[in-house]
Amino acid sequence: QKEVEQNSGPLSVPEGAIASLNCTYSDRGSQSFFWYRQYSGKSPELIMFIYSNGDKEDGRFTAQLNKASQYVSLLIRDSQPSDSATYLCAVPGDAGNMLTFGGGTRLMVKP
Amino acid sequence: ETGVTQSPTHLIKTRGQQVTLRCSSQSGHNTVSWYQQALGQGPQFIFQYYREEENGRGNFPPRFSGLQFPNYSSELNVNALELDDSALYLCASSATGGKNEKLFFGSGTQLSVL
Repeated sequence: QKEVEQNSGPLSVPEGAIASLNCTYSDRGSQSFFWYRQYSGKSPELIMFIYSNGDKEDGRFTAQLNKASQYVSLLIRDSQPSDSATYLCAVPGDAGNMLTFGGGTRLMVKP
Repeated sequence: ETGVTQSPTHLIKTRGQQVTLRCSSQSGHNTVSWYQQALGQGPQFIFQYYREEENGRGNFPPRFSGLQFPNYSSELNVNALELDDSALYLCASSATGGKNEKLFFGSGTQLSVL
């Protein structure tokens, strides 16, 4: 059974700083990973998808995957108060897009 | 916003009752997944339907059941409600359910069991 672990936080960073969110996973065979953002009382929205070792950048967001160490990270540069949310890491199943989510990390960006 | 709609938005039930939650998938999507999200936790996969057939199931008891209709909308039914069933229930649709395919989530149904 796939497991995904995240520090629940809250992670507090000042506005303009880099926020670093981490996720570890149990299944060494996992190939791809999703990062979702969830505002309080709202549904998750996809912000990043990564499937190869190394970094993937999209605007202020960078996802980093290290398969040897079985962790995936999300960096948010120039953090804004509007980035305050819970960030969920997820891995798909072996044969479909049934996701196993971590518990999420709550990020607070203070003005 | 996604094209996935869920109803109702909020629901209050008492222990032992039965509940039906509904989901309309985004146009062109034939796969619907249901997730349960307890307060302060990540979503947990309940089951997935692909073209009206159950295509995968998470670690939930049989009192959680579902249906998918020919128009690809879906229902989640929960019998014999327990207090621990209180959670946000999320429906997500995708085009074909492929491994790395994006999920489009609805706004969820907040279920409270008293």
